[in-house]
Amino acid sequence: ETGVTQTPRHLVMGMTNKKSLKCEQHLGHNAMYWYKQSAKKPLELMFVYSLEERVENNSVPSRFSPECPNSSHLFLHLHTLQPEDSALYLCASSQDVSSGANVLTFGAGSRLTVL
Amino acid sequence: GENVEQHPSTLSVQEGDSAVIKCTYSDSASNYFPWYKQELGKRPQLIIDIRSNVGEKKDQRIAVTLNKTAKHFSLHITETQPEDSAVYFCAAEDKAAGNKLTFGGGTRVLVKP
Repeated sequence: ETGVTQTPRHLVMGMTNKKSLKCEQHLGHNAMYWYKQSAKKPLELMFVYSLEERVENNSVPSRFSPECPNSSHLFLHLHTLQPEDSALYLCASSQDVSSGANVLTFGAGSRLTVL
Repeated sequence: GENVEQHPSTLSVQEGDSAVIKCTYSDSASNYFPWYKQELGKRPQLIIDIRSNVGEKKDQRIAVTLNKTAKHFSLHITETQPEDSAVYFCAAEDKAAGNKLTFGGGTRVLVKP
């Protein structure tokens, strides 16, 4: 493992379900990110947390709700999702947000399928 | 904000040949440009990066060139091997968004043995 762990690796949920994705980093980084990776699309930044405070929310629908209880853990709470939300959700961390050389360490991703 | 375009979207090369992927960016204030490699079913990993104070950087069989005037940068892979088959993403930092990275659309590289 690279130091960023995501669970679950695969998730199938119905449109009315509530589920959560979890990310944990053991690198001592101060910033954590959620990215969405869909087929044939660029990596889309969803949320950024720096020292547990949200610093970026790229107009993500409210059915996605992030939580960062401490600098090592990041959650993405999911509710009433749509089939088009099916994608690979990647967590990443970096030393800082504003260092000017943000080397991201990614987790393996959570493959989400919304039925 | 930053806009990054990446070409081609797919690239098929014969083993041993070279592969070149090109990216353009829009924000002239950007000064950090990383490249990530994502093998099938695996996480993206940084393979090389370049800062705007240099025009070229090499690491064994991979190299990146940067033209700040034209706002484009390229990844060059020489003597390609089957394990180079992957999706490659370029990125540029978005100064207006606190140095967060904006990614290109990715290039799927297939190295044929």
